Amino acid sequence: DTAVSQTPKYLVTQMGNDKSIKCEQNLGHDTMYWYKQDSKKFLKIMFSYNNKELIINETVPNRFSPKSPDKAHLNLHINSLELGDSAVYFCASSPRVAGATDTQYFGPGTRLTVL
Amino acid sequence: GENVEQHPSTLSVQEGDSAVIKCTYSDSASNYFPWYKQELGKGPQLIIDIRSNVGEKKDQRIAVTLNKTAKHFSLHITETQPEDSAVYFCAVMDTGRRALTFGSGTRLQVQP
Repeated sequence: DTAVSQTPKYLVTQMGNDKSIKCEQNLGHDTMYWYKQDSKKFLKIMFSYNNKELIINETVPNRFSPKSPDKAHLNLHINSLELGDSAVYFCASSPRVAGATDTQYFGPGTRLTVL
Repeated sequence: GENVEQHPSTLSVQEGDSAVIKCTYSDSASNYFPWYKQELGKGPQLIIDIRSNVGEKKDQRIAVTLNKTAKHFSLHITETQPEDSAVYFCAVMDTGRRALTFGSGTRLQVQP
């Protein structure tokens, strides 16, 4: 059984389009995250949600909007896509509140390519 | 915020040799230091972690050491095998931001 799943795995789209990436975790965790991994492999936190409440919102353009319908799901919607948004986006989850010394479990990633 | 530096960026070893990857961090209040392994096309997976109340932790061929005074920690892999080839990331829990700050990654290549 997949613990943290993301769809789609690959996303190719044109500049200016709007797209969404979905994430689901079946671990019963309270906190979910979105990370961005650029072409040089740097991994950086974007957002975290604890039980549907936004906890961390790094300096990410407001074209990126996370939505958490329930604590098992955290979706990422991106408006007006730009070339620089091309990256691999990872969803992750952890048992307790953000900042606790818990293992974070990562999904398989979504490779977004903006043409 | 937390600043994490990781070295080396690439590491090539012969099968059976040991590999060591080092990280330094800036915030003395940080208290959690995990290591993640990322294989090609996959998400990072935790391989070992250490909390600030211990100086060393071992799990079979993998060990992590922590020096809180010097603010650095290291990953040690002994008896390396080709399947250890991957990108390894250190991370530090930034207690202020309540988020992990990752190092820049080390690409480990184990030559058979």
